[in-house]
Amino acid sequence: EPEVTQTPSHQVTQMGQEVILRCVPISNHLYFYWYRQILGQKVEFLVSFYNNEISEKSEIFDDQFSVERPDGSNFTLKIRSTKLEDSAMYFCASSGSGQNQETQYFGPGTRLLVL
Amino acid sequence: SQQGEEDPQALSIQEGENATMNCSYKTSINNLQWYRQNSGRGLVHLILIRSNEREKHSGRLRVTLDTSKKSSSLLITASRAADTASYFCATDPAYGQNFVFGPGTRLSVLP
Repeated sequence: EPEVTQTPSHQVTQMGQEVILRCVPISNHLYFYWYRQILGQKVEFLVSFYNNEISEKSEIFDDQFSVERPDGSNFTLKIRSTKLEDSAMYFCASSGSGQNQETQYFGPGTRLLVL
Repeated sequence: SQQGEEDPQALSIQEGENATMNCSYKTSINNLQWYRQNSGRGLVHLILIRSNEREKHSGRLRVTLDTSKKSSSLLITASRAADTASYFCATDPAYGQNFVFGPGTRLSVLP
């Protein structure tokens, strides 16, 4: 069964460093998303992406964040200068089109720790 | 309560018993979905119920939706130890916003 994959599974970085989190969405999906979950808290929407551009973003997704679909398979989230409060689990998700857009399929997540 | 707010926050039951979790929300929705998350892992989609549906079944799962009360419930029948996880509801708002997740219910099924 197709699934969303994410790499790396864990990332430790120093405050101020740039990180790139990578995702491979399900191959025929057209909509892509990033969410984050701070330890013990709810899952929060960051950004949605369709047709090579951001379709919606939340207040969390400030200028330090960017997304890119550099090729036909990868979808990346870049944090330019990490802060301590960026430590969280980051989930990528994808969905199809039409009625298949309703369900988002999530990857296993990348646990980011900023020291 | 916040959009997609589950209760209880934690639930502990014996294997074989039924588990019921509730979710309340504030705005009009297109659909509501339930996800499961095992500790430290990703979110697994369980079931979707559309705003014009009242009840849906999938295996041991039964979901209800009451749009007049803006609430949903997830029932897991004949629970198993493997059902131990956090369960989240996510609402797909009707007006241009993306998924809103609740804080989740942590279910523990004791053998």
